[in-house]
Amino acid sequence: QKEVEQNSGPLSVPEGAIASLNCTYSDRVSQSFFWYRQYSGKSPELIMSIYSNGDKEDGRFTAQLNKASQYVSLLIRDSQPSDSATYLCAADFVDSGGGADGLTFGKGTHLIIQP
Amino acid sequence: GAGVSQSPSNKVTEKGKDVELRCDPISGHTALYWYRQSLGQGLEFLIYFQGNSAPDKSGLPSDRFSAERTGGSVSTLTIQRTQQEDSAVYLCASSLAGGGTEAFFGQGTRLTVV
Repeated sequence: QKEVEQNSGPLSVPEGAIASLNCTYSDRVSQSFFWYRQYSGKSPELIMSIYSNGDKEDGRFTAQLNKASQYVSLLIRDSQPSDSATYLCAADFVDSGGGADGLTFGKGTHLIIQP
Repeated sequence: GAGVSQSPSNKVTEKGKDVELRCDPISGHTALYWYRQSLGQGLEFLIYFQGNSAPDKSGLPSDRFSAERTGGSVSTLTIQRTQQEDSAVYLCASSLAGGGTEAFFGQGTRLTVV
């Protein structure tokens, strides 16, 4: 079964520090990975996508992908209280025929930034 | 439209009634996804459309659930004979082409079965 695993947390980080969120996935064929942020009572909001091994930076966010080890991470620099939310990792698995199989989400990590 | 639009935003229904939830994807997006999220839980995949076809229906929880998409655009998720355990937020997302393209969510429909 194709799965995406995340530590549910909560992960508590002091304001201004780096928050590190991790995600592992089960299918070696997956090519596309996404990080979403979800505030309580709101729908998920896409913050990063990553397709190639290595790092991808966007403002205070850096996504890291290591396909050999099957993990994806999200770093948030200079963490702010407004970053407190649940962060969802998603993988776009492929089916046996090589077609898209839909986005599979992890259960999310609850991040708390302490002022 | 500018984003994914879902209606209604909230729906309260009596146990045993049928409900229809609507999703209007971003214009031009061929892939459409339905998810369910119970209180405090993760996203449960329900169904994925590529155009009007649903390659994967395995996520639908029971035969009371069905979904269709017509004209490659609007999708309707129907729940027949609703049960209290169907209470959740139903989320729809769309992406330009599926297959790894970025997906964007609507605001969701909060369904309460009483």
